[in-house]
Amino acid sequence: AQRVTQPEKLLSVFKGAPVELKCNYSYSGSPELFWYVQYSRQRLQLLLRHISRESIKGFTADLNKGETSFHLKKPFAQEEDSAMYYCALSLNTDKLIFGTGTRLQVFP
Amino acid sequence: GAGVSQSPSNKVTEKGKDVELRCDPISGHTALYWYRQSLGQGLEFLIYFQGNSAPDKSGLPSDRFSAERTGGSVSTLTIQRTQQEDSAVYLCASSLGRGRERTQYFGPGTRLLVL
Repeated sequence: AQRVTQPEKLLSVFKGAPVELKCNYSYSGSPELFWYVQYSRQRLQLLLRHISRESIKGFTADLNKGETSFHLKKPFAQEEDSAMYYCALSLNTDKLIFGTGTRLQVFP
Repeated sequence: GAGVSQSPSNKVTEKGKDVELRCDPISGHTALYWYRQSLGQGLEFLIYFQGNSAPDKSGLPSDRFSAERTGGSVSTLTIQRTQQEDSAVYLCASSLGRGRERTQYFGPGTRLLVL
C-alpha cells in the first residue's frame, strides 16, 4: 500500500541552525513527491515538488529512490519558517497521500 | 485571482444531524479534491473529481459520506447522521488536472465539530 511517513511530529531548532525534515514513502510505481506547508492561520500551500528541482525560500528536497526518501532541508533556519510541513505522494490518479506532518519551531 | 473558497468556515452540529460543506474551486480548474484533516491523523484523501469522469470515491470512510460536483464547478460534501468522530477540518483543493499541472491549491477549510 502507498504510504508516506514523517517520523517527527515536532522539530525544534534555533535560528540559523540547519534543518532536515524527514520523509519516507512506499510506492511501487514512479513517485511524484511534494512538500506542502501550512503557516499559522493560513491555508495549506505548495512549497516545492521534486520534478521542479528548485529551491523555494531556501528549502530543497532531493528524491532518493534507493532510500525511498524525500527529506526537506534548509541550511539556515529562520523564525518565519515555523510552520507545519507535510510531505505528500501523488499517485497516477492525481490524489495526494499525505504524511502526518512535522511541526517546525524555530526559536530566536 | 480568487483562490479556492469554502463555506461555512466553521460548523457546529449535533450528533445525528446532516451537514453540507461547500467548495468553490478556482475558475477553470477541472480537478477537485476533498481531504479531511483530523487531529494527529494528518490529511486523509476522501474523493476526487476530474472533469466529466466518474469520481474516485475510494477515500470516503463510510456510506454516510457523499459528494457532488455540479456543472464541473462547485462541489458539496454531505455527511449524513454525523458522528463525533466526523469532527475534523475538511479541506477542498483544485488543480488544472493531469500532467505537469498537478499542483493542488487548497481552500481554507471547514472546521466541523459534532457534539
